[in-house]
Amino acid sequence: GAVVSQHPSWVICKSGTSVKIECRSLDFQATTMFWYRQFPKQSLMLMATSNEGSKATYEQGVEKDKFLINHASLTLSTLTVTSAHPEDSSFYICSARTGVVNTEAFFGQGTRLTVV
Amino acid sequence: AQKITQTQPGMFVQEKEAVTLDCTYDTSDQSYGLFWYKQPSSGEMIFLIYQGSYDEQNATEGRYSLNFQKARKSANLVISASQLGDSAMYFCAMREGRRSSASKIIFGSGTRLSIRP
Repeated sequence: GAVVSQHPSWVICKSGTSVKIECRSLDFQATTMFWYRQFPKQSLMLMATSNEGSKATYEQGVEKDKFLINHASLTLSTLTVTSAHPEDSSFYICSARTGVVNTEAFFGQGTRLTVV
Repeated sequence: AQKITQTQPGMFVQEKEAVTLDCTYDTSDQSYGLFWYKQPSSGEMIFLIYQGSYDEQNATEGRYSLNFQKARKSANLVISASQLGDSAMYFCAMREGRRSSASKIIFGSGTRLSIRP
């Protein structure tokens, strides 16, 4: 099946710094990727839809300036958590689908972010 | 607005027994898709099964089957002959609108399944 690779799998950063998370589709082109956030023992909450070559579409309540999304190519989307604070600590996971024929969404391995 | 509801926060099942995980959904779209994903403690999301709103037959994938009752808007996951490795979080999810790579998928709150040896 299609593979989505997410990097890094875990990261610890200091408050006030920025962290970039990469999401790559390894064997297919993804014009659209999705970024989710998951707090411990909770569900995946959609943060934004990343669109190749255009601005991301953010869900209500998600700060655009806090969570910067860039989808510069058909195989790479990045999520940058700017000026991170301890409350940004969470599990971030991306997903992509291969196109209209396929039905399932493929997920990256996820990134566990801890802000200290 | 669409919504996914999973009413069972946790379940304990004896190994080798069958288990049903409940999922109900709400949408005004005529065309939609329903998914089940498994999330072990490692955090990865493992696709299990898919049901399209126009599919007349219930989906099956090995030990997994989806009991799709469109009129009741339910899409329960049935796992037959449960195994210890089935212990994980299970999420029901729905894609709104036409099947396309740009359609969002939203998730229910999940059910934590624990298999007893």
